[in-house]
Amino acid sequence: TQLLEQSPQFLSIQEGENLTVYCNSSSVFSSLQWYRQEPGEGPVLLVTVVTGGEVKKLKRLTFQFGDARKDSSLHITAAQPGDTGLYLCAGGSGTYKYIFGTGTRLKVLA
Amino acid sequence: EAQVTQNPRYLITVTGKKLTVTCSQNMNHEYMSWYRQDPGLGLRQIYYSMNVEVTDKGDVPEGYKVSRKEKRNFPLILESPSPNQTSLYFCASSLLLAGAWGEQFFGPGTRLTVL
Repeated sequence: TQLLEQSPQFLSIQEGENLTVYCNSSSVFSSLQWYRQEPGEGPVLLVTVVTGGEVKKLKRLTFQFGDARKDSSLHITAAQPGDTGLYLCAGGSGTYKYIFGTGTRLKVLA
Repeated sequence: EAQVTQNPRYLITVTGKKLTVTCSQNMNHEYMSWYRQDPGLGLRQIYYSMNVEVTDKGDVPEGYKVSRKEKRNFPLILESPSPNQTSLYFCASSLLLAGAWGEQFFGPGTRLTVL
């Protein structure tokens, strides 16, 4: 069974700090997605990474896919209270099954 | 407005009473999926469908049934609910892209409690 482990599980930081969230697996994924979920809502896609070593930037968010396509990271620069939420990574394999990570709950304090 | 709708949003039921959670999307997406979300476990895929009459098991299909008779609808059926099926359920849909993973659009969620 493919698993995606995220770390840390919880993160509480002050506005303006930087942070990195990790998504790791022992399996290779053909692509990896990052979603953000706010209370009472469904997850919303932030980015999809496909190529090993790929780096994508979305304003203050930087996403990286590991060279071996087994891991990914999300780095947030100068976090804002609006970044608060549950961050989920999700991997796709050869089938059309989705595997989601366990999530990282981020709270950014003003 | 492009959206995925689920009904009901909240449901409290008793063990063994059959129920159906409906899911509908208006984006003409081929791919639809059901997930359950439990604290500390993230989202786990229950069933997915790649098109009409094509469904397959996700990681936690036991106790659930689905059907895909129309492209826009993908109901989740619990024939005999049990307390361990108490959870937050999400329906999602996406385009089915050749060799790539499309963006999944999620519904607002259905919070189910089985007593």
